[in-house]
Amino acid sequence: IQLTQSPSFLSANVGDTVTITCRASQGIGYYLAWYQQRPGKAPKLVFDAASPFQSGVSSRFSGSGSGTEFSLTISSLQPEDFAIYYCQQHSIYPVTFGPGTKIEIK
Amino acid sequence: VQLVESGGGLVQPGGSLTLSCEASGFIFGDNDMHWVRQGPGRGLEWVAGIAWEGVKTGYGDSVTGRFTISRDNAKNFLFLQMNSLRPEDTALYFCARGQSKVLVSWGQGIPVTVSS
Repeated sequence: IQLTQSPSFLSANVGDTVTITCRASQGIGYYLAWYQQRPGKAPKLVFDAASPFQSGVSSRFSGSGSGTEFSLTISSLQPEDFAIYYCQQHSIYPVTFGPGTKIEIK
Repeated sequence: VQLVESGGGLVQPGGSLTLSCEASGFIFGDNDMHWVRQGPGRGLEWVAGIAWEGVKTGYGDSVTGRFTISRDNAKNFLFLQMNSLRPEDTALYFCARGQSKVLVSWGQGIPVTVSS
């Protein structure tokens, strides 16, 4: 299953609300997760459509979608949110990631 | 939760290497486990996963037949045996704890360089 993300790059201000999208090449139900990766750090799970209420994740991160179209919304962007975001399908093996969306400070 | 990878380093093309991941802070035998890699300046690539019981496994297309994932639930260790290594296998390799195939905790990664 192939994943595409848009946009690949996004420039925004602190305090903005942004939405990034992920599209799957075939239906995956709700089996889509989002990860944040800051420079030089390991990725971190920020949202899973199949289990939306993950402990330890800021409520500023929310997601929607099912089937082939998904989105991640980050409200009131904070400096620590500027990072690369990857979507991941966990419906079937092999697990696949999208190419990433980089969010930078305008 | 702590995941600490080891065993990385420099290896020649065609060579072999075994990565280890020591887990602590959770009931290791209750969780699926995974390896994910990231080439220099590149995105994330899932490498392999193994179910909690150590029987069901899955592999990425680029490593199938060359890499083998395994685990020791008694000692809280995850392994990745890598054979027939290629320069394109050069990457930072992450160990990750799974809730099934959702990667809920990650190690800091261990670099592997395949070069002559």
